[in-house]
Amino acid sequence: EAGVVQSPRYKIIEKKQPVAFWCNPISGHNTLYWYRQNLGQGPELLIRYENEEAVDDSQLPKDRFSAERLKGVDSTLKIQPAELGDSAVYLCASSSPSYEQYFGPGTRLTVT
Amino acid sequence: GQNIDQPTEMTATEGAIVQINCTYQTSGFNGLFWYQQHAGEAPTFLSYNVLDGLEEKGRFSSFLSRSKGYSYLLLKELQMKDSASYLCAVRDEGQNFVFGPGTRLSVLP
Repeated sequence: EAGVVQSPRYKIIEKKQPVAFWCNPISGHNTLYWYRQNLGQGPELLIRYENEEAVDDSQLPKDRFSAERLKGVDSTLKIQPAELGDSAVYLCASSSPSYEQYFGPGTRLTVT
Repeated sequence: GQNIDQPTEMTATEGAIVQINCTYQTSGFNGLFWYQQHAGEAPTFLSYNVLDGLEEKGRFSSFLSRSKGYSYLLLKELQMKDSASYLCAVRDEGQNFVFGPGTRLSVLP
């Protein structure tokens, strides 16, 4: 069984530029999460989807961040414009009703 | 507010036993999870507790006391490859995972 797929793995951009991250969850997993993880800290939830519905986006900075999950499968997280403080690892995870959450390899974003 | 506390760093010797503690205060409780994260990699699932008591899985065990808001992860027969960060996470009443800061474990020869 394929795991959670994310791309790109690494991204370096200048501040004020846009950036997008893509995630393909494990087949059959209805729940999809986007997290941000800063160095030395635990993941922080940005948004959670149940199928194509965003059921919790309370921690998503909506002035610059947006996300979508068309057809309830793949998801895209976008930042526009990026700021220096957005440098972090962006993790996508998916889960099934069994509650185990599986993470993708993450995208390491560096904003210069 | 939601709060999960773990020690920042721990050091132990190869072959020894180490216990990593986690205390939590969250809005609701739907299970406690432990993840292992090697440097530069994604977290991987280790264990899950939803009822009080001890869950054993090979060299790893996890304990939960819901009344005390407390859990620990016990690692036995430590190996060098166990050097990693260990993340405690609680699934809250909204079904979201709230993560602690992680405990960085160093296993020395």
